[in-house]
Amino acid sequence: EAGVAQSPRYKIIEKRQSVAFWCNPISGHATLYWYQQILGQGPKLLIQFQNNGVVDDSQLPKDRFSAERLKGVDSTLKIQPAKLEDSAVYLCASTGGVYEQFFGPGTRLTVL
Amino acid sequence: DQQVKQNSPSLSVQEGRISILNCDYTNSMFDYFLWYKKYPAEGPTFLISISSIKDKNEDGRFTVFLNKSAKHLSLHIVPSQPGDSAVYFCAASGLGARTSGSRLTFGEGTQLTVNP
Repeated sequence: EAGVAQSPRYKIIEKRQSVAFWCNPISGHATLYWYQQILGQGPKLLIQFQNNGVVDDSQLPKDRFSAERLKGVDSTLKIQPAKLEDSAVYLCASTGGVYEQFFGPGTRLTVL
Repeated sequence: DQQVKQNSPSLSVQEGRISILNCDYTNSMFDYFLWYKKYPAEGPTFLISISSIKDKNEDGRFTVFLNKSAKHLSLHIVPSQPGDSAVYFCAASGLGARTSGSRLTFGEGTQLTVNP
């Protein structure tokens, strides 16, 4: 069974630029999550999708972050414009059950 | 407000000995707890979990203990192996009966190093 795929693996941008991350969850998983993990901290939920609907985006900085999950499969997370404090690893996870989430390898973003 | 805390950023043990990783939580609504392991440049992988109706769950070398009155859980690894060296995250969920997709709150992680 293929795992959660993410791309790119690494991205370096200047502040005020825009960036997008892509996630392909495990086939059949209805729930998809985006997390932000800052160095030395645990993953923090940004947004949760159930199929193509948003379940929880209470911690998403909506003035600069946006996410979509068209057709209930792949998802993209965008940051526009990026700030220095957005430097982090962005993790995508999916689940077909209730609790156990399967994570992708993450995208390491560096904002200069 | 950090609802899940792992107070030890790092732990070093000798191969073959026991590793004990600790986690405390403040939200009494949490009723399901998970441990994840993370190697560098990889995403976290699920290790073991426990429901609040239990106080112990065991899977091979890994055992998780839950003390609800103290709002504390611990992960025991016996015997520890060098391949266990990784960052361990404690996570909690508190949505009661659900049919899909709970929200997890993670601790800060503990870096475990097992020395040969």
